[in-house]
Amino acid sequence: QSVLTQPPSVSGAPGQRVTISCTGSGSNIGAPFDVHWYQQLPGTAPKLLIFRNNYRPSGVPDRFSGSKSGTSASLAINGLQAEDEADYYCQSYDSDLIGWVFGGGTKLTVL
Amino acid sequence: QVQLVQSGAEARKPGASVKLSCKASGYTFSDYYIHWVRQAPGQGLEWMGVINPLGGSTNHAQRFQGRVTLTRDTSTSAVSMELSSLRSEDTAVYYCARSDYYYDPSGHLGYFDLWGRGTLVTVSS
Repeated sequence: QSVLTQPPSVSGAPGQRVTISCTGSGSNIGAPFDVHWYQQLPGTAPKLLIFRNNYRPSGVPDRFSGSKSGTSASLAINGLQAEDEADYYCQSYDSDLIGWVFGGGTKLTVL
Repeated sequence: QVQLVQSGAEARKPGASVKLSCKASGYTFSDYYIHWVRQAPGQGLEWMGVINPLGGSTNHAQRFQGRVTLTRDTSTSAVSMELSSLRSEDTAVYYCARSDYYYDPSGHLGYFDLWGRGTLVTVSS
């Protein structure tokens, strides 16, 4: 059971917008610690997608955006493309567990 | 080239230990924390622990206390992670990753901007 809760799966057609939620609590996202997002393509290591809630590393398309409010965060993907099909993980820090924590991951399927 | 190069796949029997390495190159080793994250087959990411290459201080996830040992060798810019008392549930890909920051009182948190390719550890009798 992950400290951060994500939906197991989401899907959308090419060109559509999808959002992935990440729900935490007062000891992590609501503390308020930053939320970061990672994309993991099949068979590869995770890649940083969004850092500090809503910043994109160089090279990440602006189709990806992040937001945070209270004890939750969201990742939005606009203009869905086939290559976006991957697993997505949110990450924060938990002051009770005294360490970094990940969400359980969300598998994005592009229909 | 900025990279983290991890050691090769390992196979162990239950009860044994395994020591994995992660060698940094292309950046100043002491400027970044090194974390270990594992992923069991078909499962999500799990943070295991972190080491500060500058002074060698460490922090581990509570569930790994007593089983995980993190060390660093500044002469080779490498970090090692030893996991003891292995059980089948420890079968996973183990990643190292770096962050330039821990966290501050305002909640700004270090993020993992560079990852190794992972090392598969298989625990089976």
